[in-house]
Amino acid sequence: QKEVEQDPGPLSVPEGAIVSLNCTYSNSAFQYFMWYRQYSRKGPELLMYTYSSGNKEDGRFTAQVDKSSKYISLFIRDSQPSDSATYLCAMSLSSSNTGKLIFGQGTTLQVKP
Amino acid sequence: GAVVSQHPSRVICKSGTSVKIECRSLDFQATTMFWYRQFPKQSLMLMATSNEGSKATYEQGVEKDKFLINHASLTLSTLTVTSAHPEDSSFYICSATPGTSTGNTIYFGEGSWLTVV
Repeated sequence: QKEVEQDPGPLSVPEGAIVSLNCTYSNSAFQYFMWYRQYSRKGPELLMYTYSSGNKEDGRFTAQVDKSSKYISLFIRDSQPSDSATYLCAMSLSSSNTGKLIFGQGTTLQVKP
Repeated sequence: GAVVSQHPSRVICKSGTSVKIECRSLDFQATTMFWYRQFPKQSLMLMATSNEGSKATYEQGVEKDKFLINHASLTLSTLTVTSAHPEDSSFYICSATPGTSTGNTIYFGEGSWLTVV
């Protein structure tokens, strides 16, 4: 079993739709949870960062963490064609080790105009 | 602008030769850098942790004699793929962090595409 599981998709939605992306994990020691966006043949770009359980909102993006269920989500509201990319969840352990990230497989999202 | 720079962005080399990829932190001193590898349609897999002034820590299954990592200064880490083979063709990405920091200050480079022919 992988430490972090993420449905690879692809996920195709019409412009304006609400997108829900999810990851599950097995290691209860993970404390930091991140979502990255990666365009084709580019390095990943940090979208959201959360610590421990709860919600965090930034513009059209909302990140949720449920540590009791070992489940994290990223919601994209009013999705745009420019949101078409691969979305990777990532996790790390304690603050002294936060540079070492464990990534999910990534979900490919296509937003159709 | 980019705070972590990788060079080259693309490289093609012949099988059996060695190739070096550089990762530079531009706006900060990176005591720790990380090297990841990403095969097509797959996620980033951590290869090794590079610490300035000390030996790199390799993940299980990564050959340290094949993937040489040097972190000689606080702004530069290099990954050398020695005796490259076609199966080493991949997207190599580095990340850097200023130190014991929280996740929102991990910076990734733009990646380097390696093709071994």
